[in-house]
Amino acid sequence: ETVLTQFPGTLSLSPGEGATLSCRASQSISSNYLAWYQQKPGQAPRLLIYAASSRAAGIPDRFSGSGSGTAFTLTISKLEPEDFAVYYCQQYGNSPPTTFGGGTKVEIK
Amino acid sequence: EVQLLESGGGLVQPGESLRLSCEASGFTFSNTGMSWVRQAPGKSLEWVSSISSSGDATFYADSVKGRFTISRDNSKNTLYLQLINLRAEDTAMYYCAKIAVIALWYFHYWGQGTLVSVSS
Repeated sequence: ETVLTQFPGTLSLSPGEGATLSCRASQSISSNYLAWYQQKPGQAPRLLIYAASSRAAGIPDRFSGSGSGTAFTLTISKLEPEDFAVYYCQQYGNSPPTTFGGGTKVEIK
Repeated sequence: EVQLLESGGGLVQPGESLRLSCEASGFTFSNTGMSWVRQAPGKSLEWVSSISSSGDATFYADSVKGRFTISRDNSKNTLYLQLINLRAEDTAMYYCAKIAVIALWYFHYWGQGTLVSVSS
């Protein structure tokens, strides 16, 4: 099973600042099939990025994904108040169908 | 508009059973693979099970294999998850989720979840 490690566990930032979230895989992810989700309290996750760098429909361009192999990054260029949430990475290139990372919380400083 | 509506959660004792349902609308259900993902209180997301569009292929996490069964009724646009021999560690919000592309198990639509609590 491919284990995903996200870091940092918590990121304390102010609105307007940029955020860089990391996701490291225990083995190379086939076809760079990595997704990112945002989850706010009491809500279901929302897909942000798939295939490492493709933005999902309706996602603002301040969200961008990059990386390949075992190292991936989600960048939020300028944090808006609604961006403070927990972010999860997910790999779907290696069996079993999929695994999720432990999450990074982006909180207001 | 895609909608996924889970139901069937509740409070049960260890060893008991539940059947979760996810009623889908707004897309061609019979063409789409579906999954269940759970989230224990304060914890990360955990993939539980997936099923192909026709139902002939199913996949399970090791933690639930042999205890949970995923199925679907394409005539009713409904996904199911049968949970037996429940344990305290199965306590979680259970989400059903829709995949975007055949055989690529990332999820572009999620339901709001149904809560399963296992406690004596």
